[in-house]
Amino acid sequence: DARVTQTPRHKVTEMGQEVTMRCQPILGHNTVFWYRQTMMQGLELLAYFRNRAPLDDSGMPKDRFSAEMPDATLATLKIQPSEPRDSAVYFCASTRTHNEQFFGPGTRLTVL
Amino acid sequence: RKEVEQDPGPFNVPEGATVAFNCTYSNSASQSFFWYRQDCRKEPKLLMSVYSSGNEDGRFTAQLNRASQYISLLIRDSKLSDSATYLCVVILNDYKLSFGAGTTVTVRA
Repeated sequence: DARVTQTPRHKVTEMGQEVTMRCQPILGHNTVFWYRQTMMQGLELLAYFRNRAPLDDSGMPKDRFSAEMPDATLATLKIQPSEPRDSAVYFCASTRTHNEQFFGPGTRLTVL
Repeated sequence: RKEVEQDPGPFNVPEGATVAFNCTYSNSASQSFFWYRQDCRKEPKLLMSVYSSGNEDGRFTAQLNRASQYISLLIRDSKLSDSATYLCVVILNDYKLSFGAGTTVTVRA
């Protein structure tokens, strides 16, 4: 049963610390998305990649956030330095087409 | 104006009732539409695609109205297990997609 995996599942850190979240997309999926979900804003698209190339990262705060795909099996989202307003659930999703995105379980980030 | 807007609800309905809600989108060139379901503290999962001619999947019916730029979801004979947040997704093109903020449905016994 193929699924998207994300690590860590939970992260508590202090303001100013670096946070790195990892995602392993489903094997064979060539498009990977990063989302952030909060109660206030709902689900926001931060960035996405196709065939490891970034296609759209307009939703991502550029000064502190960065997203990469070092290889086809790993996507990373980094926040440096983290701030309390970054507290949210970060989802990764992958797909072969736009017809269905498969979401990972999310990383629940709390920045104190 | 947001690209995709949904009534956040909550819609509180008794078991067996019918509940329906809409999602409006701002860009008339949008190409594809979907409904996702998200349970509390879980990830979103695809519920159904929305086709121009409308489509049904069991108790769920999805409709697209291009002239008025909205999609709708109707749930018949509601079950307790239908309690969730329903997110609409609108795809503009290969490079642009937007999620709505979600409509919360609570089905009570």
